[in-house]
Amino acid sequence: NAGVTQTPKFQVLKTGQSMTLQCAQDMNHNSMYWYRQDPGMGLRLIYYSASEGTTDKGEVPNGYNVSRLNKREFSLRLESAAPSQTSVYFCASSEYGGARTEAFFGQGTRLTVV
Amino acid sequence: GESVGLHLPTLSVQEGDNSIINCAYSNSASDYFIWYKQESGKGPQFIIDIRSNMDKRQGQRVTVLLNKTVKHLSLQIAATQPGDSAVYFCAENHTGGFKTIFGAGTRLFVKA
Repeated sequence: NAGVTQTPKFQVLKTGQSMTLQCAQDMNHNSMYWYRQDPGMGLRLIYYSASEGTTDKGEVPNGYNVSRLNKREFSLRLESAAPSQTSVYFCASSEYGGARTEAFFGQGTRLTVV
Repeated sequence: GESVGLHLPTLSVQEGDNSIINCAYSNSASDYFIWYKQESGKGPQFIIDIRSNMDKRQGQRVTVLLNKTVKHLSLQIAATQPGDSAVYFCAENHTGGFKTIFGAGTRLFVKA
């Protein structure tokens, strides 16, 4: 089982460039999430999609946009990358949101903005 | 605001000993708590969860304790093994919510 697949695994961007991080899950989960992880900190929620067709802001949405393309796929876009967006990005999915089930995470995308 | 914190950023234990990782949370509305394990270069992986109507839950070699009075959560790992070396995160959520809040993590080192 693939679980949650993220692409790419590594990326270096110049300040001002744009890019899209891709995420797909094969577990038929309803909810999907994008987190960022910075050194010495826990994961912080950027955006989430409670179900297909809906997206909502998390803790740190500024500078990002998302698209829930279908039930399987949830992409994260950086329109104009900034050095502060250097981080490891994780996509996750869960059968339901909230206090019902745990999340399954992808392997992460390590993004460096220079 | 909502926060989930960990008392110790690093924990070093001898192989075979028991490990205890602690976590404090501040949101009284939280009713679902999860422990995740993150190995180097990988995404977090679910270990065990507990709902607020329980005080204790056991898994394979792991036990989670919840003390709602003092808003404290702990993860106990029995007979710690080298493969347990990782960063452990506690996380909390509440019924109807989607914003799981993660703590900063505790790095567990297991000495052979």
